[in-house]
Amino acid sequence: DAKTTQPPSMDCAEGRAANLPCNHSTISGNEYVYWYRQIHSQGPQYIIHGLKNNETNEMASLIITEDRKSSTLILPHATLRDTAVYYCIVPSASNTGKLIFGQGTTLQVKP
Amino acid sequence: DSGVTQTPKHLITATGQRVTLRCSPRSGDLSVYWYQQSLDQGLQFLIQYYNGEERAKGNILERFSAQQFPDLHSELNLSSLELGDSALYFCASSDGTATNYGYTFGSGTRLTVV
Repeated sequence: DAKTTQPPSMDCAEGRAANLPCNHSTISGNEYVYWYRQIHSQGPQYIIHGLKNNETNEMASLIITEDRKSSTLILPHATLRDTAVYYCIVPSASNTGKLIFGQGTTLQVKP
Repeated sequence: DSGVTQTPKHLITATGQRVTLRCSPRSGDLSVYWYQQSLDQGLQFLIQYYNGEERAKGNILERFSAQQFPDLHSELNLSSLELGDSALYFCASSDGTATNYGYTFGSGTRLTVV
């Protein structure tokens, strides 16, 4: 997998937007960026993925820079239930479909 | 409910014993993945099956084995258990398409070895 770099932790005020950055400077042209999150001791949850265009779904928005070397996951109105570890993953096609999780960013949403 | 069912939810057993963890994938998914998460550790990929065949192997110990049955459910067998095997074990499923990394995870089995 292309190496990703995320800050170990971030805080966000409840109701405000949470912007989680990820660097993936070695990403190849056909590799996607995936985001997952894991709320304490629960199974990881898929959030969103993208290739080059910005993406939005009911959970979040994903902004990918034009050079594709970094991306930002945006939770538009964070709630206490969004407190979790967020993982940015760039799977390699050679990995035959298996996801390799790094350390992620622990997001703490505070009241 | 994610659609991926793992049983049992909790398991307590003694060192040296053998246990079997079970996973039923989401309807229509052909691939099953097993992950281990020890206390305060990251998610470690163990093994992947696709339509009954082993497709990829990660950091899985020789004491551990898995299989996927014709009805696509999967079992992870852990033997000669050690204290360090205490962990959360997650199963995930997907359609198995090489470019699809949108997995659905189960809620996990918490294994405690005493």
